[in-house]
Amino acid sequence: QQQVKQSPQSLIVQKGGISIINCAYENTAFDYFPWYQQFPGKGPALLIAIRPDVSEKKEGRFTISFNKSAKQFSLHIMDSQPGDSATYFCAARPSFQKLVFGTGTRLLVSP
Amino acid sequence: NAGVTQTPKFRVLKTGQSMTLLCAQDMNHEYMYWYRQDPGMGLRLIHYSVGEGTTAKGEVPDGYNVSRLKKQNFLLGLESAAPSQTSVYFCASSYSGQGYGYTFGSGTRLTVV
Repeated sequence: QQQVKQSPQSLIVQKGGISIINCAYENTAFDYFPWYQQFPGKGPALLIAIRPDVSEKKEGRFTISFNKSAKQFSLHIMDSQPGDSATYFCAARPSFQKLVFGTGTRLLVSP
Repeated sequence: NAGVTQTPKFRVLKTGQSMTLLCAQDMNHEYMYWYRQDPGMGLRLIHYSVGEGTTAKGEVPDGYNVSRLKKQNFLLGLESAAPSQTSVYFCASSYSGQGYGYTFGSGTRLTVV
């Protein structure tokens, strides 16, 4: 299976709250898991990525948590800000192949 | 440093018309991709290229053709546009095919009426 299932489809979080977006996969050959951020009218841009040999990666307010046994990974945005309002895509890469993208989550951070 | 440039940014076509979307990158990337983005469907790969003169089908190739005559350019063609091809099209490029560092263009919004 080459699919990556992403949830929720949309999310509203108050300023200062924690935004959590989840992804699940079935292909155990996936070995690279990036998250992309897309602002309206723009193309997606790489936000943060993780490999399955670590359980967590943090960059500023953004953290990826990875659960290899459950085949799940999630993006946590701490202290969410209105400027974080965007669409977020998870993705996964089968070994030496192209990225497979999730369906996207539209995040709105209310002031 | 332009990165990935897509032209045009917007286009309205009538059913049956043809058009070509142009993608240009100035990063000397070998790999280039065309995606379409539809609500609730995420990014779906149409065609991709692993180098000058080579192309391959992605997940949703029907109704589209591509060409990569020069390393820096990747063209997406619609020979006979259909309303189902109304979408936002993104081009991306990468140094290798291993999924690292995809750079996306800003997209082309195409409406077929």
